[in-house]
Formats: sequence, C-alpha cells, structure tokens
Amino acid sequence: EVQLVQSGAEVKKPGESLKISCKGYGNFFSTYWIAWVRQMPGKGLEWMGIIYPGDSDTRYSPSFQGQVTISADKSISTVYLQWSSLKASDTAMYYCARRLTEDAFDIWGQGTMVTVSS
Amino acid sequence: QSALTQPPSASGSPGQSVTISCTGTSSDVGGYNYVSWYQQHPGKAPKLMIFEVSKRPSGVPDRFSGSKSGNTASLTVSGLQAEDEAHFYCSSYAGSNNWVFGGGTKLTVL
Repeated sequence: EVQLVQSGAEVKKPGESLKISCKGYGNFFSTYWIAWVRQMPGKGLEWMGIIYPGDSDTRYSPSFQGQVTISADKSISTVYLQWSSLKASDTAMYYCARRLTEDAFDIWGQGTMVTVSS
Repeated sequence: QSALTQPPSASGSPGQSVTISCTGTSSDVGGYNYVSWYQQHPGKAPKLMIFEVSKRPSGVPDRFSGSKSGNTASLTVSGLQAEDEAHFYCSSYAGSNNWVFGGGTKLTVL
C-alpha cells in the first residue's frame, strides 16, 4: 500500500531545534515531489514547500523561505522538515503529501503535531 | 501570495445540493486549470476530492463535481449525506512550483 508515515508528536521550547520526518512506503518515493503543509490550531492549510527526493530539488513558499529547511534522503525514502530555532507561532500540525499531478496532492501523511511552549 | 477566498460556512439538508466557491486571481485560479479540492474531517488528514478543476480521483463519489469560471472555482456536492459534513479547502497552482490554499469552508449537513 502506498502511504506516507510521519514521525510522532513533539513538544519543544522556544529557541530549540527540531527535525520531523515523513517516510514513504510503496516504491514510489524518488519519482514524486513531496510537499509540506502547515495547519495551525483551528486554522486552514498553508503550503510550505516541496522537494523532489530523486535529486533534492527544493522550492519554498515565499512565506516560509528562510524559516524552515526541507531535505530528503532517498536511500531511506524519507523527507524532513526542520527548524533551527522554534517559536511559539510554529505550534501547528504539519502534513507531508505526495504531488500526483500539477495540482493534486493525493497521498497525505497522518500529520505531526508540533507544540512550542515555554 | 494571498490565500484564495472561500466562504467560511455552507450548509444544506440531506439530499440537497450545495456549492462552495473559491476565488483567486489571474495568477492562480484564473491562470491555470490546476484547481483541486480537499475534504478534511476533524482530526484527520485532508483527502483529495477533485483535481485539475473537475477530475475525480478513483473512489470519490460522482456526487462531488468541480468547475471554474474566470478567477473563481466551485465545488458542488449533490445529494448531500451526513458523512459529507467536513471542512473543504480549495487549492490552486500559482506557478513556479508554488501552490496556494483557500481559507476553508465548513460544510454542515442540517
């Protein structure tokens, strides 16, 4: 079964660093773009950026450029989202999703809840 | 880029039809036939319902349909069922490997 499985919930303090992961199962990983999407509590979806694990080509939403880093390790079918210094405003659910066509994100991870609080 | 504009809420009785709009600009919705719609139940990940304006992925009932005119896309849910109650988000390709989502619409089945 094709699926994306994300790492578990995290609780961090402001200023700490964090790297969350999204692992693909089903022999598709290197040939599809994988995106990260943020959903703040009670709010809508926000596209953060996207990576092609085959060559690590990465694009960022202007809103998130410089705020996060997206990376991939195709040898283990995993993409990452990382922060060097978390803020309380980073508290959100983060989803990874596979881009099937130009606009369709068809497979989604279960989400990783990140809570940043002192 | 700014989020696409959706009504915050929509509602209908079982069996009725409801249409949710999604308004963007000529740089996103109006510029590409790449509009998709996602359904999200509470505590769940989004689910792709419509892509490329009007195409349905395998397994999505044909009660869900999409269309576009100019800078506004629409999702119509016909024959409303209780399980359709959820948040719906539109999304559009905005060029240069960028995408933008709408603010979301909470669909209530009365």
